[in-house]
Amino acid sequence: SQQGEEDPQALSIQEGENATMNCSYKTSINNLQWYRQNSGRGLVHLILIRSNEREKHSGRLRVTLDTSKKSSSLLITASRAADTASYFCATQITGTASKLTFGTGTRLQVTL
Amino acid sequence: NAGVTQTPKFQVLKTGQSMTLQCAQDMNHNSMYWYRQDPGMGLRLIYYSASEGTTDKGEVPNGYNVSRLNKREFSLRLESAAPSQTSVYFCASREARLGYNEQFFGPGTRLTVL
Repeated sequence: SQQGEEDPQALSIQEGENATMNCSYKTSINNLQWYRQNSGRGLVHLILIRSNEREKHSGRLRVTLDTSKKSSSLLITASRAADTASYFCATQITGTASKLTFGTGTRLQVTL
Repeated sequence: NAGVTQTPKFQVLKTGQSMTLQCAQDMNHNSMYWYRQDPGMGLRLIYYSASEGTTDKGEVPNGYNVSRLNKREFSLRLESAAPSQTSVYFCASREARLGYNEQFFGPGTRLTVL
């Protein structure tokens, strides 16, 4: 079964709006990462947050992590059409140094 | 640098045929991974190689074999393809040092088994 479940499965917003995606997971983690996948392409790493961190920023991205609720959120501010993609959370589970477990993804559509 | 490269990009097989998916990385990474991606399922780990000379099963290894040929190359073999193996296959690599957790992905191989 998937370690990560993302919500919503699909999101459609207009350019300039903010987009928020959520990820829930089941077991103790070392870190949680977010990846983007453009249609027909491989995944690209966006941001990593460690289990002892609560919030992290990178450009227009803001990630939060609540280990007590086993959940994370990715906020993309002032979205652009180029942000249209699928977004996946991935967890590195405690004791599995090499492996990531991916969620099912959120498909984001940003319209002009 | 090319990053992670995969060949072929597309492949159509008949049930029972065999094939090898090739993956190479030029970033001197220690760890390499094979995933499959099916609609609505996210990515699932098939096999991985934490370092040259080692391979381990992931979440869905049945029907697959792997070879870590050298530090650069990690191949995935389907000995007798089945329609259930129709999927998009991604190879990834990672520098296995403390603090380096990001995985770098190839462009994928789209495989159809008839």
